[in-house]
Amino acid sequence: GAVVSQHPSWVICKSGTSVKIECRSLDFQATTMFWYRQFPKQSLMLMATSNEGSKATYEQGVEKDKFLINHASLTLSTLTVTSAHPEDSSFYICSARDNREVQETQYFGPGTRLLVL
Amino acid sequence: AQTVTQSQPEMSVQEAETVTLSCTYDTSESDYYLFWYKQPPSRQMILVIRQEAYKQQNATENRFSVNFQKAAKSFSLKISDSQLGDAAMYFCAYKEALYGNKLVFGAGTILRVKS
Repeated sequence: GAVVSQHPSWVICKSGTSVKIECRSLDFQATTMFWYRQFPKQSLMLMATSNEGSKATYEQGVEKDKFLINHASLTLSTLTVTSAHPEDSSFYICSARDNREVQETQYFGPGTRLLVL
Repeated sequence: AQTVTQSQPEMSVQEAETVTLSCTYDTSESDYYLFWYKQPPSRQMILVIRQEAYKQQNATENRFSVNFQKAAKSFSLKISDSQLGDAAMYFCAYKEALYGNKLVFGAGTILRVKS
């Protein structure tokens, strides 16, 4: 149980284009999902908290217009990197909070590697 | 603000032996949750173990156990009978119980397992 998928796992795009990453909770409903960014050998950096049916909450320093988040259903959140540039190249990870658990454990997707040329 | 500190950037252990990874945290809350996550080379984050602060008993999951010292704000992870598949980056994480949505992560510890 508590499986989270992410698609795509790998994406290469040209500078200036937009890229959409999907995060799905496969066997549970998630009112809240999270988007992280991770650089090699570093910890996870929270970008935003995605809430089903409402606007995402962005962390300080994260550009809302650049990283668009949509949480349209209890099992799907999407992150769109708009007008991507090489500095946006990174590993993006989503997680979903299992509402059934008191501890509200976050379960993570396998991540998406983005390379912007 | 809460902080999580993992003071060991890298650790090594011989296969079949035991290793302990350290984690300390800073909080003024009395009710919270603590987690250890494992990130192998595939970079998939995997939940290893979790602990509720109100429980005095240390959590255990097979070969993984924690030493939770609430007064000292310490939450170490012990891996017994280490296996090659345990090689990974390990992250300690904290979450407030009542009002917190976010996980606060430590910097991580790279664990190497020698055969």
